[in-house]
Amino acid sequence: GENVEQHPSTLSVQEGDSAVIKCTYSDSASNYFPWYKQELGKRPQLIIDIRSNVGEKKDQRIAVTLNKTAKHFSLHITETQPEDSAVYFCAALRGGSNYKLTFGKGTLLTVNP
Amino acid sequence: DGGITQSPKYLFRKEGQNVTLSCEQNLNHDAMYWYRQDPGQGLRLIYYSQIVNDFQKGDIAEGYSVSREKKESFPLTVTSAQKNPTAFYLCASSIPGQGRGTGELFFGEGSRLTVL
Repeated sequence: GENVEQHPSTLSVQEGDSAVIKCTYSDSASNYFPWYKQELGKRPQLIIDIRSNVGEKKDQRIAVTLNKTAKHFSLHITETQPEDSAVYFCAALRGGSNYKLTFGKGTLLTVNP
Repeated sequence: DGGITQSPKYLFRKEGQNVTLSCEQNLNHDAMYWYRQDPGQGLRLIYYSQIVNDFQKGDIAEGYSVSREKKESFPLTVTSAQKNPTAFYLCASSIPGQGRGTGELFFGEGSRLTVL
């Protein structure tokens, strides 16, 4: 089955700095890669996703890049703000499975004011 | 107000007892899921259902059971066979992706189960 590794497990940055979270996946047939943000005590929410036919996608201060050859994808947050503090999960979906997302173990991002 | 509702929010259980967690959605989504969240472990899929009266095992189904008798409801039973049931349980639903994989998952607020 699919295996998703996520690094780092914790990340602390100063407000205004950039943050990068990296994930690798094992199944070359995976073709959909979402990122979820979970604030403390709240439910996870989708913040951005990318499909395998695209190399990069941006949405304001967040961006995701995908390297299919190396089987890794990354979340980039620029100009971080204290409200970006949360746990971020990457995930991968194997093509054809439609329903079984495999999640990484999460990254606790702390943005210090 | 559309959304996905889980109950109870907190639940305590004695060893050897079964317990059922409720999950209801009014988003008209076909697919529903149960995930387990443990510290440092991410989200692990327990069961999922693509359509009414059908469900599939996820990666950690042992000791759990589900039913999908109605589109809007997907209850999870944690049985006494589950060796380590203390965890945070998240229910989710989605519109199956338009032929290209899972659409966005909409999560409930979760149920925290503690076995005493």
